[in-house]
Amino acid sequence: VLLVESGGALVQPGDSLRLSCAASGFAFSSNWMTWVRQAPGKGLEWVANIKNDGSEKYYVDSVEGRFTISRDNAKNSLYLQMNSLRAEDTAVYYCARRITLDSWGQGTLVTVSS
Amino acid sequence: QSALTQPPSASGSPGQSVTISCTGTSSDVGTYNYVSWHQQHPGKAPKVIIFEVNKRPSGVPDRFSGSKSGNTASLTVSGLQAEDEANYYCTSYAGNSKVVFGGGTKLTVL
Repeated sequence: VLLVESGGALVQPGDSLRLSCAASGFAFSSNWMTWVRQAPGKGLEWVANIKNDGSEKYYVDSVEGRFTISRDNAKNSLYLQMNSLRAEDTAVYYCARRITLDSWGQGTLVTVSS
Repeated sequence: QSALTQPPSASGSPGQSVTISCTGTSSDVGTYNYVSWHQQHPGKAPKVIIFEVNKRPSGVPDRFSGSKSGNTASLTVSGLQAEDEANYYCTSYAGNSKVVFGGGTKLTVL
């Protein structure tokens, strides 16, 4: 199982950013996928889940309406579209397999600062 | 404030055993057997060491074990080794496809 995140950057408050997670080594289209984030020096926080076929999506309250999780099973890829970014969204963002988080990527850093 | 409560720190000498608790509610830990434990060394990505309360992924030493009683899950590390020094996080399924985390426990090997 290999998960590789990309797309992290330094952006200003109010900006948008799209993260990607390339998956390999397993049947991507058969698995729920999850985004988790970790603010600098802080603990882990669940951000969003998406069902294997993309038909169900769930979010932590703090990102509901601003972030959108999606996937492209043909490309074995998971995405997180982040809009109206705030300073408190600054974190390393990890993608993980399943709701049980049984495999993790290496993370990508998003910094929101003016 | 995290949904699951963990002690901020734990410690033990090499060879000793240490247990880390993770207390939730009847809406998460108490109802679902989807409790996982994740080890994170500084600057590294988390790694699952226990899933579904007490199952170990291949490659994880059997020094790591998990259990659950009521609303509290526990991770026990036996025969502590220097490389076990890390942060440990518990997670639980909380219904409606949502996941909750503990605040993390920093394990120090004395």
